[in-house]
Amino acid sequence: DAGVTQSPTHLIKTRGQQVTLRCSPKSGHDTVSWYQQALGQGPQFIFQYYEEEERQRGNFPDRFSGHQFPNYSSELNVNALLLGDSALYLCASSAPGTGRTGELFFGEGSRLTVL
Amino acid sequence: AQRVTQPEKLLSVFKGAPVELKCNYSYSGSPELFWYVQYSRQRLQLLLRHISRESIKGFTADLNKGETSFHLKKPFAQEEDSAMYYCAIRPPAGGGNKLTFGTGTQLKVEL
Repeated sequence: DAGVTQSPTHLIKTRGQQVTLRCSPKSGHDTVSWYQQALGQGPQFIFQYYEEEERQRGNFPDRFSGHQFPNYSSELNVNALLLGDSALYLCASSAPGTGRTGELFFGEGSRLTVL
Repeated sequence: AQRVTQPEKLLSVFKGAPVELKCNYSYSGSPELFWYVQYSRQRLQLLLRHISRESIKGFTADLNKGETSFHLKKPFAQEEDSAMYYCAIRPPAGGGNKLTFGTGTQLKVEL
């Protein structure tokens, strides 16, 4: 099991552009969450997807949107990129019924640089 | 608003010395608390959670509701403990995957 996989690993965009990041959850997991980690900071929750719907959302503007597919994989879309969107974007998945335990399995992240 | 504070960015100890990584939180209620760890070139992973009252790799963490703290402790540090440690909280009873993380403490165990 490769665990949570994310693509691309690195990418560079310019201000105003749009970006799509992809995530495949760990085998057997049905819930995907996205986090933003700025340099020197802890991960910050963006949103969570379960059964192809956004279930929870953090304090992020509508420029951040997502999608979950029937195979549980997910995409994070960011529109109208700002310099401040430069960060490591982490995907985390969890297994059915583990909402109580709080155990998340993280990917290695996609590092986005906005110039 | 919920907040997690880890006052030390870097903690350096000698091998065999005791370790205490500090974590204070603010939350109106009784959140669930976690410690996540990231070893060099590895992914962020769960170390322990307060509801389990477990000891993982010799680490324990005691919840002090009066002081709103959840410090991580280990009596004798090992070289392999060197890593970045994050304290995290989430709302009780079904908080889903919405964790609030602290800024992390880099633990360096020196020989």
